[in-house]
Amino acid sequence: AIQMTQSPSSLSASVGDRVTITCRASQGVGVDVGWYQQKPGKAPKLLIYAASSLQSGVPSRFSGSGSGTDFTLTISSLQPEDVATYYCLQDHNLWTFGQGTMVEIK
Amino acid sequence: EVRLVQSGAEIKKPGATVKISCKVSGYTFTDFYLHWVLQAPGKGLQWMGLVDPEDGQTFYAENFQGRVTITADTSTDTAYMELSSMTSDDTAVYYCATANYWGQGTLVTVSS
Repeated sequence: AIQMTQSPSSLSASVGDRVTITCRASQGVGVDVGWYQQKPGKAPKLLIYAASSLQSGVPSRFSGSGSGTDFTLTISSLQPEDVATYYCLQDHNLWTFGQGTMVEIK
Repeated sequence: EVRLVQSGAEIKKPGATVKISCKVSGYTFTDFYLHWVLQAPGKGLQWMGLVDPEDGQTFYAENFQGRVTITADTSTDTAYMELSSMTSDDTAVYYCATANYWGQGTLVTVSS
C-alpha cells in the first residue's frame, strides 16, 4: 500500500504569513494527490485536486504543487478562518491519507 | 445539488455489527466510486474501502479485510458499510465520500 508522510504535524503562524505543508508518497503517484481542510465537527472539504488544481469556490490563497512523490500545499496569506486540520490524499492506487497538519494562529 | 446523506448515530456492544447507509442524490450514482473513511476521536482520517456502484466491485484496506463489507444498491442510490466484530477501538465517525463530496458522518460508539 502507498504511504503518505505529511509534515509538520502542527504549526502556528501569524495572520498574513505564508504557510507550507508537505506530503511525501512512498512511491510515485503522478499528480494523483488532493488536499482537504477539516474543521472540528465537520466533514473534510476538498481544496486542491490533481496536485495543483483549485477546487471551485476555494480562495486563491490556497495552492498546490508537486508530482511523483513530493507534494506541497501553500496558503499564501494565512487568515483566521484557515484554522483547521489539513490532510493530503493519494488516489493513485486506492486511497491513503497523510497524518494531518493542525494549523493554528499565533 | 449533490448530497450524501448518512444514517444516524449508533451505539453498539463489543462484538456487534453495525451497518451504515449513505443515500446519494444530485449525480449519477454509478459514475463514481463510493469510499468509506473513519475518524477515531481526536485522530486522523483512515480509508476503509470502496465500492464501484457500476458493478459492485469492492476494495478494502488491509486493516479491515474480513470485517468490513461495502455494498451499493443502484435501485435506491444507496451505499452501505457493514463492520463486524466491533471493539472499543472502532468508536469513530464514519464517512461516505467521493473525492469531491462527503456525507455528514455517522458516529458509532462501541461500549459495554
